Amino acid sequence: ETGVTQTPRHLVMGMTNKKSLKCEQHLGHNAMYWYKQSAKKPLELMFVYNFKEQTENNSVPSRFSPECPNSSHLFLHLHTLQPEDSALYLCASSQEEELFFGSGTQLSVL
Amino acid sequence: GQQLNQSPQSMFIQEGEDVSMNCTSSSIFNTWLWYKQDPGEGPVLLIALYKAGELTSNGRLTAQFGITRKDSFLNISASIPSDVGIYFCAGRGAGNNRKLIWGLGTSLAVNP
Repeated sequence: ETGVTQTPRHLVMGMTNKKSLKCEQHLGHNAMYWYKQSAKKPLELMFVYNFKEQTENNSVPSRFSPECPNSSHLFLHLHTLQPEDSALYLCASSQEEELFFGSGTQLSVL
Repeated sequence: GQQLNQSPQSMFIQEGEDVSMNCTSSSIFNTWLWYKQDPGEGPVLLIALYKAGELTSNGRLTAQFGITRKDSFLNISASIPSDVGIYFCAGRGAGNNRKLIWGLGTSLAVNP
């Protein structure tokens, strides 16, 4: 397996559910990212991890909880989400300037 | 805050035509990245630019880093149906402005 892999590809959850998104990168990169992609909006950076340490949190609501156990894995734990959180959630990794993205998880909150 | 204007918002062209799109920034960038996103997939990096005036090609794609460092252009020559998708530009400044800023995308449709 190469590149950046995200699971699941699709997720439907109720507002009271707890779920987790998983990302794994096989590129040997040191930085990993969570982005939110919504229609009509630029890509929104949520979290950045460098060498497993969170270096950026762009005022993301606490119902989104990231976890980075090592440089290759990144999780996004979800709980008590709102319908407006429905979006494509993209994971990316980088070594220098260039980001490499996974295929994303299309999330629908009912 | 920093803003990126990407245009056009959408394009509908005939197969074989050339395509041009651009991004302009309100501030100076040190890096420009161009991505393509297919439906249901994540963005894929097409071309990265690091120097003002730089012109870089990737097959039928050519991108340029504007001399003013506030704009970038992407051209696609002899378009084919698989060029369909959304093209995004992203730019990064220097110093305290190193956050990657994204355009809203150019949606390209190609009529075979």
